[in-house]
Amino acid sequence: AQSVSQHNHHVILSEAASLELGCNYSYGGTVNLFWYVQYPGQHLQLLLKYFSGDPLVKGIKGFEAEFIKSKFSFNLRKPSVQWSDTAEYFCAVISTGGGNKLTFGTGTQLKVEL
Amino acid sequence: NAGVTQTPKFQVLKTGQSMTLQCAQDMNHNSMYWYRQDPGMGLRLIYYSASEGTTDKGEVPNGYNVSRLNKREFSLRLESAAPSQTSVYFCASRRQGEVGSGYTFGSGTRLTVV
Repeated sequence: AQSVSQHNHHVILSEAASLELGCNYSYGGTVNLFWYVQYPGQHLQLLLKYFSGDPLVKGIKGFEAEFIKSKFSFNLRKPSVQWSDTAEYFCAVISTGGGNKLTFGTGTQLKVEL
Repeated sequence: NAGVTQTPKFQVLKTGQSMTLQCAQDMNHNSMYWYRQDPGMGLRLIYYSASEGTTDKGEVPNGYNVSRLNKREFSLRLESAAPSQTSVYFCASRRQGEVGSGYTFGSGTRLTVV
């Protein structure tokens, strides 16, 4: 079964600091990879996704992620975080067989301090 | 606005009571999903429906049943609620077969079982 690992559970940064959140997946076949964000009290919103092509994917609000197939990784980055980026971030992967089920990592809680 | 609508938004149940969580989407998506979100565990798939007329178990199906009433609606039923089912429940939908298609999530139902 596929799995997704997010190694950073809680991250605290100051405004303008750079961000990198780690994500590794276990599935060895064709993958679709996603990062979702959940702002306090809200539902999940798609930040960015990768399914083929350029392994460096740019998303909304200045976020980007790089797919490194050899490392089974899809790390999320942002050069300079803002207070409004305080949220929980989820990495997720879709299985290419049977129902296209989205499997989530356990999430990373990001707090950006002024 | 197009999207996924969940009702109710909040619910408190007593142990042993039953209830049905409703979900409807108006995007003509084929596939629909129910997830539960618990602190430190990310989102876990309860049940899904790859297409109208089919339903399958996800990662944590015990204590739940689902009905895919038609293409638009996918309900989740708790027959005899338990405190362990206290969680936030999210419904999602996806257009099956669309490469790279992400999921669209509802705003969630916060359920407390006392």
